[in-house]
Amino acid sequence: GEDVEQSLFLSVREGDSSVINCTYTDSSSTYLYWYKQEPGAGLQLLTYIFSNMDMKQDQRLTVLLNKKDKHLSLRIADTQTGDSAIYFCAEELYGQNFVFGPGTRLSVLP
Amino acid sequence: NAGVTQTPKFQVLKTGQSMTLQCAQDMNHEYMSWYRQDPGMGLRLIHYSVGAGITDQGEVPNGYNVSRSTTEDFPLRLLSAAPSQTSVYFCASSPPGTKETQYFGPGTRLLVL
Repeated sequence: GEDVEQSLFLSVREGDSSVINCTYTDSSSTYLYWYKQEPGAGLQLLTYIFSNMDMKQDQRLTVLLNKKDKHLSLRIADTQTGDSAIYFCAEELYGQNFVFGPGTRLSVLP
Repeated sequence: NAGVTQTPKFQVLKTGQSMTLQCAQDMNHEYMSWYRQDPGMGLRLIHYSVGAGITDQGEVPNGYNVSRSTTEDFPLRLLSAAPSQTSVYFCASSPPGTKETQYFGPGTRLLVL
């Protein structure tokens, strides 16, 4: 079946860049998404990228998509303590159903 | 708009008990879904609905029932709770016929003893 994989943990120092990686399996996915989950809260959409794009930039966030390798990454520039959260990669499976990765817990150290 | 609301926030059940997790949205979204979130496994789709009167199974439907009698509400029923159903449950909704993202509720944390 479809599978989305992510590393589970990432630690960075405040002010550095964070890069969270994701691999997916369904090459027919139209959109790929990044969600953020803060402690005790639901998921919040950060950004998404259409599958015919290679890159999308939105303020401190840069999404890179390599369709050939089915690899998606999220770069957060100038990482702040408020960026500490779990980040989920998701691909659109069918209709409006998503397949989520396990989430990467980002810890920002002072 | 209140967005997507879920009740209760927390629940403790004994094995074999039944209960209903409530989900409501006031955005007139046709599509609604239920996910469960377990450590290290991300979110897995339980059931979904593309409109009132229509429901379908997701990846992990066993042990759960849903109904969609109105556009606004999409309750999830646990028929006979098991410890394996200890999880955090998220309801989501999205507008019809578009590729816009899903809006998630705050979650219900369920512990089955």
